Amino acid sequence: DTEVTQTPKHLVMGMTNKKSLKCEQHMGHRAMYWYKQKAKKPPELMFVYSYEKLSINESVPSRFSPECPNSSLLNLHLHALQPEDSALYLCASSQLFVGRLDVGGGNREAEAFFGQGTRLTVV
Amino acid sequence: TQLLEQSPQFLSIQEGENLTVYCNSSSVFSSLQWYRQEPGEGPVLLVTVVTGGEVKKLKRLTFQFGDARKDSSLHITAAQPGDTGLYLCAGGPPTESGGGADGLTFGKGTHLIIQP
Repeated sequence: DTEVTQTPKHLVMGMTNKKSLKCEQHMGHRAMYWYKQKAKKPPELMFVYSYEKLSINESVPSRFSPECPNSSLLNLHLHALQPEDSALYLCASSQLFVGRLDVGGGNREAEAFFGQGTRLTVV
Repeated sequence: TQLLEQSPQFLSIQEGENLTVYCNSSSVFSSLQWYRQEPGEGPVLLVTVVTGGEVKKLKRLTFQFGDARKDSSLHITAAQPGDTGLYLCAGGPPTESGGGADGLTFGKGTHLIIQP
């Protein structure tokens, strides 16, 4: 099973709404990621969780709030978003999060598996 | 500064032709991954290369990792319309300590269109 499941697949929300994106994996991966992707651009890293703890926050505005309830689940809570936040939000997981330091070179631990994404439209 | 440079950015060719996509960097990566993404879907992992000089084949796709682990190429033989998509290379992470991004570093991608 190499599946990362994201729900919902599509979401339309108003700027005053509160919603949550959900992500689930059962591969025993200990690193989980949120990426944001605008049309015709590569994914941009938002958050990294390693062993259920937030390891990286790439200066994401506080209207995006991640949560990792357990090793299989990752949520992204949304509140007071702006229209420019409309994008495809991707969840990914990998065996481990190897971080900045060289871990000896040549490893597959950064190999990431992506969910299908949530297409978010903020109106 | 883009850590991973992909070229070409856009490529449209006829069915049956061959093509090569390049992924270059000045940084040494511990591994490089190639993904293919269709519109509105998440990237799907095609291959991971970890050893300098490594060549991997996936049906009509051939992936190569440079000897110095700074670059990679994807060659498609006899392209088919089903190969159409966004091809992304991603490195994780650069080996120099204190530099580069955490998680995966993506190139800008190559938008490939195979005309029937």
